[in-house]
Amino acid sequence: KAGVTQTPRYLIKTRGQQVTLSCSPISGHRSVSWYQQTPGQGLQFLFEYFSETQRNKGNFPGRFSGRQFSNSRSEMNVSTLELGDSALYLCASSLADRAHSPLHFGNGTRLTVT
Amino acid sequence: AQTVTQSQPEMSVQEAETVTLSCTYDTSENNYYLFWYKQPPSRQMILVIRQEAYKQQNATENRFSVNFQKAAKSFSLKISDSQLGDTAMYFCAASPNDYKLSFGAGTTVTVRA
Repeated sequence: KAGVTQTPRYLIKTRGQQVTLSCSPISGHRSVSWYQQTPGQGLQFLFEYFSETQRNKGNFPGRFSGRQFSNSRSEMNVSTLELGDSALYLCASSLADRAHSPLHFGNGTRLTVT
Repeated sequence: AQTVTQSQPEMSVQEAETVTLSCTYDTSENNYYLFWYKQPPSRQMILVIRQEAYKQQNATENRFSVNFQKAAKSFSLKISDSQLGDTAMYFCAASPNDYKLSFGAGTTVTVRA
């Protein structure tokens, strides 16, 4: 079974631009979560989607948004990029069909904002 | 909300020996889950072990085991018979469910040959 796939692996953008990151979950997984990882702030929860609905959101500004499609694939968008948005963005999926379904992470997208 | 503290930024261990990583947490939830994740240089976060707070028995997974002290809000990870492939960053995490995890700052573990 293929794992969680994130594309692209690396991105370089300029301040003020916007960016879209993509995540394909493991087949059959209906929940997709996004995390931001930086050396200063560590790993922080961005948001989680289940059946195309955002169920939970972390403490990030509105510039960070996401969506989930009917095939469970998810995209994350960051508008008006700032230098501080440089980070590794991790996507994770889970079955979410019972009380506890562990997260399976992808390899992440490394975003550099210059 | 949960907060997770890992007080050891780095640990070094000789191959085949044992190392213990510490983790403390704080939560207002009655039921919650605790995790240890491993992140090797490949960047992929890999679940090492998972503990449900209402279960008294400590979780084990092959060479990995935890010491869960609920009253002390402590959740340490023991790696036995360390192998070179265990070299990675290890993150402790807590969550009221399975998708909104609060992570600690991480502990870099280096296994020496």
